[in-house]
Amino acid sequence: GESVGLHLPTLSVQEGDNSIINCAYSNSASDYFIWYKQESGKGPQFIIDIRSNMDKRQGQRVTVLLNKTVKHLSLQIAATQPGDSAVYFCAALRGTSYDKVIFGPGTSLSVIP
Amino acid sequence: DAGITQSPRHKVTETGTPVTLRCHQTENHRYMYWYRQDPGHGLRLIHYSYGVKDTDKGEVSDGYSVSRSKTEDFLLTLESATSSQTSVYFCAISVPSSNEQFFGPGTRLTVL
Repeated sequence: GESVGLHLPTLSVQEGDNSIINCAYSNSASDYFIWYKQESGKGPQFIIDIRSNMDKRQGQRVTVLLNKTVKHLSLQIAATQPGDSAVYFCAALRGTSYDKVIFGPGTSLSVIP
Repeated sequence: DAGITQSPRHKVTETGTPVTLRCHQTENHRYMYWYRQDPGHGLRLIHYSYGVKDTDKGEVSDGYSVSRSKTEDFLLTLESATSSQTSVYFCAISVPSSNEQFFGPGTRLTVL
């Protein structure tokens, strides 16, 4: 079946360094991708999205890269801060319909002060 | 948070008892969703709604039912709770204009 997975379940980075979180998806028909941040005890929070007609999108301190050839996307966080400590997961959709979304299991990012 | 609340926030119940979780939103969104989140798994869709009285099954709907009699409320019912339904349940809405999805704070359910 379809799957979305992350390469590392945990990641530790020094404060101020850049973080890179990776995600792979299996369905080549997926054409819309989202990164979420989930802090402990809270619901997931939409960070940034990207459509399959793009290979890069930038937000505030975050960049998402999409490589459709190898079905891989990454989230880069610049100058990582303690407030960035959270679980990050990606989601893949076909079209923009959330009834068909597949979520990855998440990478737990810890920022070392 | 798009005005999404969930109740209760925590519940402990016994196997075989019925349980209803409530999701309430204040911004008149049409699309609402119920997910469960378990360790090692991504969020999995249980049921969703695309309007009052309009609902459909998601990936893991067995053992769950939903109702939406008002735009603002989406109820998830476990008719006879089982230990495998111990999980954290999240409600969400989606906004077609921005295509963003917003989640509630979650309900931690433990079935003994």
